[in-house]
Amino acid sequence: GDSVTQMEGPVTLSEEAFLTINCTYTATGYPSLFWYVQYPGEGLQLLLKATKADDKGSNKGFEATYRKETTSFHLEKGSVQVSDSAVYFCARNNAGNMLTFGGGTRLMVKP
Amino acid sequence: EAEVAQSPRYKITEKSQAVAFWCDPISGHATLYWYRQILGQGPELLVQFQDESVVDDSQLPKDRFSAERLKGVDSTLKIQPAELGDSAMYLCASSLSVAGRSYEQYFGPGTRLTVT
Repeated sequence: GDSVTQMEGPVTLSEEAFLTINCTYTATGYPSLFWYVQYPGEGLQLLLKATKADDKGSNKGFEATYRKETTSFHLEKGSVQVSDSAVYFCARNNAGNMLTFGGGTRLMVKP
Repeated sequence: EAEVAQSPRYKITEKSQAVAFWCDPISGHATLYWYRQILGQGPELLVQFQDESVVDDSQLPKDRFSAERLKGVDSTLKIQPAELGDSAMYLCASSLSVAGRSYEQYFGPGTRLTVT
């Protein structure tokens, strides 16, 4: 079945450091790929998305490129801030638009 | 900005009791989803509605869980009887659906259930 695998956390960085959170997905069908962010005690917010191979999603300084050849959708940000501390979820959809999520990666940014 | 509304935000119940959660999707969103998120894990889909019809409930434990969306707008998820293992965050999401294609999902704040 569909699955999404992302690097385990926590990831601890200093402010202004470069961030990469790895994500790979099963290559069944033609999924859209998503990154969601969850702040403590809150629901999920869509951070960015890509709908086809080689698309780059971007938002708030975060970027991710849909790589079909490596079945990856790694999240990157050039300079993280303390306010970026949260849990990040990679997800793919299926033909019925049901989402399959990775296990989440907690990011902690220290001043 | 329109949001998905959920209530209550927090619920504590004893095992074997009944509990219900409510979700009001973004206006105009025909597709509604209920997810369960166990602490430290990603959300898992329980049930998907298209208008008032269930599209997929294959992961819904039907011996104790039920979901309805009678008028195709708001929805209720019920657990009866609750078990300790049901402690989790219950998330509702909605998405626009046009000509059979669904778009990105928007999530509500969730209901955190604790079963004692």
